[in-house]
Amino acid sequence: DAGVIQSPRHEVTEMGQEVTLRCKPISGHDYLFWYRQTMMRGLELLIYFNNNVPIDDSGMPEDRFSAKMPNASFSTLKIQPSEPRDSAVYFCASRSTGDTGELFFGEGSRLTVL
Amino acid sequence: AQSVTQLGSHVSVSEGALVLLRCNYSSSVPPYLFWYVQYPNQGLQLLLKYTSAATLVKGINGFEAEFKKSETSFHLTKPSAHMSDAAEYFCAVSKKLGAQKLVFGQGTRLTINP
Repeated sequence: DAGVIQSPRHEVTEMGQEVTLRCKPISGHDYLFWYRQTMMRGLELLIYFNNNVPIDDSGMPEDRFSAKMPNASFSTLKIQPSEPRDSAVYFCASRSTGDTGELFFGEGSRLTVL
Repeated sequence: AQSVTQLGSHVSVSEGALVLLRCNYSSSVPPYLFWYVQYPNQGLQLLLKYTSAATLVKGINGFEAEFKKSETSFHLTKPSAHMSDAAEYFCAVSKKLGAQKLVFGQGTRLTINP
């Protein structure tokens, strides 16, 4: 299996622009998670889905952030409009209900908002 | 609510020396505990996990961790550090096996001196 695939790996944008991050989970996994990693706050869970349905979005910072999972093999995290404080590494992770708790992470999308 | 505290954001050891990374957890119910490793510019990957079986858990790359309920600890150790162990290490906790949310500690950056 190719693992969790994220794109883009790096994104540099200007404040106010829309940013879309993409994730393809491991085939057969029914849970998908979006995390954000910063030096100041560490790893934060933003939102997670089960069978394409958002279950908990309490970690989404504000309305500028939105996430969708239109099908089992694709999810997006959108920031509109972006701000410099959104600069971070965004990770997507997936797992299967049958797994013993292990999350499989993508390599992350490093976002820089100027 | 579950939480973990990693003592020491940076740990530096000499090659061949003992590695000890500390993690204390807080949980109102029996926890499930994990250690993840993050190499530069990569996502997190599982090192080992405690799932209420043996209290001494062995993981990949020679690492192991011991669950001590009386001390609410799950410290990670390796008898002899190798240069390739340089990475960031995260302790994580969840309520139950397969629980949706994995709560991560702030991470400990391990540096290996030649």
